[in-house]
Amino acid sequence: AQSVTQPDIHITVSEGASLELRCNYSYGATPYLFWYVQSPGQGLQLLLKYFSGDTLVQGIKGFEAEFKRSQSSFNLRKPSVHWSDAAEYFCAVGDGNKLVFGAGTILRVKS
Amino acid sequence: DGGITQSPKYLFRKEGQNVTLSCEQNLNHDAMYWYRQDPGQGLRLIYYSQIVNDFQKGDIAEGYSVSREKKESFPLTVTSAQKNPTAFYLCASRQFGTEAFFGQGTRLTVV
Repeated sequence: AQSVTQPDIHITVSEGASLELRCNYSYGATPYLFWYVQSPGQGLQLLLKYFSGDTLVQGIKGFEAEFKRSQSSFNLRKPSVHWSDAAEYFCAVGDGNKLVFGAGTILRVKS
Repeated sequence: DGGITQSPKYLFRKEGQNVTLSCEQNLNHDAMYWYRQDPGQGLRLIYYSQIVNDFQKGDIAEGYSVSREKKESFPLTVTSAQKNPTAFYLCASRQFGTEAFFGQGTRLTVV
């Protein structure tokens, strides 16, 4: 069965610093990969997705992610974090008709 | 506006009571999903439906029931058999091969 691992439960970065959130997946075929963001008490909003093609994917709010098949990874990056980026971030893999989510990474931003 | 509407936003359940969470979508998506979210555990799949009048159990279906009588609607009933129902519940819809769209969630509390 497919699985998604987000190794970092919490990450704290200073405002203006760069960010990388890690995601590793287990899936036999070429996966559909997603990053979502969730503010407290809200639903999930899609940041970006990878289906095929260019392995560097651009998303909303200045985020990007890189698909690395050899490492089974799909890490999320942002060059300069803003205080409004503080939220929980979820990586997900699409398996046929289902989406499997990682446990999430809570991002805290220091001013 | 196209989207997914979950109601109510907050719901309180007494011991031994069944409650039903509503989920409606106007995106014309075939597939709909219910997830349960607990702190530190990500999103766990309860039930999903790929087509009207058909649904499948997810990873944590015990104590829950669903119906899919209309394409737009996928209500979730939390039965008295669910011993620990306090959680945040998220509904989503999707067309196969694309991303999922989420509602704003329902927070269920046992009183």
